[in-house]
Amino acid sequence: AQRVTQPEKLLSVFKGAPVELKCNYSYSGSPELFWYVQYSRQRLQLLLRHISRESIKGFTADLNKGETSFHLKKPFAQEEDSAMYYCALSRNNAGNMLTFGGGTRLMVKP
Amino acid sequence: NAGVTQTPKFRVLKTGQSMTLLCAQDMNHEYMYWYRQDPGMGLRLIHYSVGEGTTAKGEVPDGYNVSRLKKQNFLLGLESAAPSQTSVYFCASSYGRRSYEQYFGPGTRLTVT
Repeated sequence: AQRVTQPEKLLSVFKGAPVELKCNYSYSGSPELFWYVQYSRQRLQLLLRHISRESIKGFTADLNKGETSFHLKKPFAQEEDSAMYYCALSRNNAGNMLTFGGGTRLMVKP
Repeated sequence: NAGVTQTPKFRVLKTGQSMTLLCAQDMNHEYMYWYRQDPGMGLRLIHYSVGEGTTAKGEVPDGYNVSRLKKQNFLLGLESAAPSQTSVYFCASSYGRRSYEQYFGPGTRLTVT
C-alpha cells in the first residue's frame, strides 16, 4: 500500500531564510506527487505537481525516485507563506485517489 | 461560481444519532470525494465517486455511506455516530480521470459526544 510521510509537524523559519518541507513516499508503482497548501481561513488548494515542473509562488519540488522523496523548497521565505502544507500521492488509476501525508505547519517569523 | 460547497459547517451529535453531510459542486466535475481530517494524520479518503450513480470505498469507509444520485451532489451519511467520527470532513471534486487537481470545499466540523 502507498504511504506518504512528512516528518516535521512544525517548521519555523525567519523571513528571508530558505525553506525545505520534507516529503517521503512509498509506492511500488509510478507515482504522481503533489503539494497542497491550506492558508489560514482558506480552502485546501493545489500548490504544484511534479509532472508540470513549474515554480509556484517561488516554491519548487523535485521528484527523486531513488530516494522516494518530493521535498518542497523555497530559497527565501515570506511571511505570507505561513500555512499548512500537505504532500500527496496519486496512484493514477481509477478515481485519482490521493493519499496525503500528515502535513507540516510552516511558520515564517518576521 | 460557488465551487464546492458543504452543508452544514458545524454539527454536534450524540452517540448513536444519524446525519447526512451534503456536498455540492457547480463545476460539472465527474469525480467527487469525501475525506476526513484528523490532527497529525492528514486527510484520509472515506469514499469517492467517479460519476453519477457510482460510489466506491476509500481508505476508511467503515461507519459511513454515500450516495451520488445527481452529478453535482455527493452525500455522506453516518447511520449511528460514534465519538471516533469526531473530525473535520472535506469534500472535493475533480474533472475526471486525467485531471489530478482536486477542488476542496470549506469543511464540516463534526463533534460526536
